[in-house]
Amino acid sequence: NAGVTQTPKFQVLKTGQSMTLQCAQDMNHEYMSWYRQDPGMGLRLIHYSVGAGITDQGEVPNGYNVSRSTTEDFPLRLLSAAPSQTSVYFCASRPPGQGVNGYTFGSGTRLTVV
Amino acid sequence: QQQVKQSPQSLIVQKGGIPIINCAYENTAFDYFPWYQQFPGKGPALLIAIRPDVSEKKEGRFTISFNKSAKQFSLHIMDSQPGDSATYFCAASIGGAQKLVFGQGTRLTINP
Repeated sequence: NAGVTQTPKFQVLKTGQSMTLQCAQDMNHEYMSWYRQDPGMGLRLIHYSVGAGITDQGEVPNGYNVSRSTTEDFPLRLLSAAPSQTSVYFCASRPPGQGVNGYTFGSGTRLTVV
Repeated sequence: QQQVKQSPQSLIVQKGGIPIINCAYENTAFDYFPWYQQFPGKGPALLIAIRPDVSEKKEGRFTISFNKSAKQFSLHIMDSQPGDSATYFCAASIGGAQKLVFGQGTRLTINP
């Protein structure tokens, strides 16, 4: 049981490049989310999913796309990276019915856009 | 607009002291208030949480105090230890909703 696994741990992109941040969980959690963490801003919700095939926008969705084809995986796509997307990205998951008590976070992906 | 405001941004306390971290919110629909602890290079981990129908909740050395009328809640760490040095986030949500709203975070340092 690995919990929530994020890859890569570190990434440097050039402005305009695209990439996908991977998130996988082996706990059969239906709910998954992506947050970004910036100094002085706390964590802000980007996108979330309540199950396979269902996604919705969070607080800061612009510049990011998501899809949820399986329960286990919830990738986050940056189509054209911008310096403003330099941040630490966290994926989180939880089973339904436990409210926010059940959230498990991954260890994060540190992204730098130059 | 920050829906949950956290202070201070950083805090240094001697071992054995009682650091206090404060949070304030505006949205009275919030009904669940968790605190998360984050160590460098790791994701946040749930520390303790409270609902507004109680004024205090204690788990080990960690206590949440909640003031519904003032729309404020705080985290107290009793007998603090160097191993408690971490960044702490308060958060809020509505019911079992997917969306957690976080405070700005407090970097706590406990000196030996």
